[in-house]
Amino acid sequence: DGGITQSPKYLFRKEGQNVTLSCEQNLNHDVMYWYRQDPGQGLRLIYYSQIVNDFQKGDIAEGYSVSREKKESFPLTVTSAQKNPTAFYLCASSEAAGRGTGELFFGEGSRLTVL
Amino acid sequence: EDKVVQSPLSLVVHEGDTVTLNCSYEVTNFRSLLWYKQEKKAPTFLFMLTSSGIEKKSGRLSSILDKKELSSILNITATQTGDSAIYLCAVEAWNAGNMLTFGGGTRLMVKP
Repeated sequence: DGGITQSPKYLFRKEGQNVTLSCEQNLNHDVMYWYRQDPGQGLRLIYYSQIVNDFQKGDIAEGYSVSREKKESFPLTVTSAQKNPTAFYLCASSEAAGRGTGELFFGEGSRLTVL
Repeated sequence: EDKVVQSPLSLVVHEGDTVTLNCSYEVTNFRSLLWYKQEKKAPTFLFMLTSSGIEKKSGRLSSILDKKELSSILNITATQTGDSAIYLCAVEAWNAGNMLTFGGGTRLMVKP
């Protein structure tokens, strides 16, 4: 089945550690996104990528990094520079760059807790 | 800076009630407004509204875009417990490079 797979679903991290969240899609979508969701704050955009080897910062990129080496994959690294990383992280994709975003397809999310 | 505000923040109703969720926006060069339902983890798409399609309906759910008032409503009639979820509104602007701005969501709880 086509879709977006995020892993791990749950992750615990000690302060000062970097962690990488995986996101893979087999929908052949051009555009991929990372959102952060905190209670009562909806979704905030961290990074997005419209094409391989290119990505743009969203509203809250500080303390995060991404790569887009393959069309299907868009991993997110939460670095030790991120001051408050405990959150629910959602990866999403949409069909084509340069056209309206239209429907976003979401993964099941990764819940990161910093101990 | 684009801005999307949803109200109410949360809502508790009983099965069979009708609810109206609100979404207001401030965006330069409005392109579309989208509604999503998030039950547990992954949000799922409900509707997309544009200047050429300001009203959408699917079963008990319907949505209207008011471009004059810069707002949209999502109506759910004859609510069921399965409608309990967070409802998210997002807007897209022209030349925004595939970026959506999301509101804070409305948490709906439907009691039996």
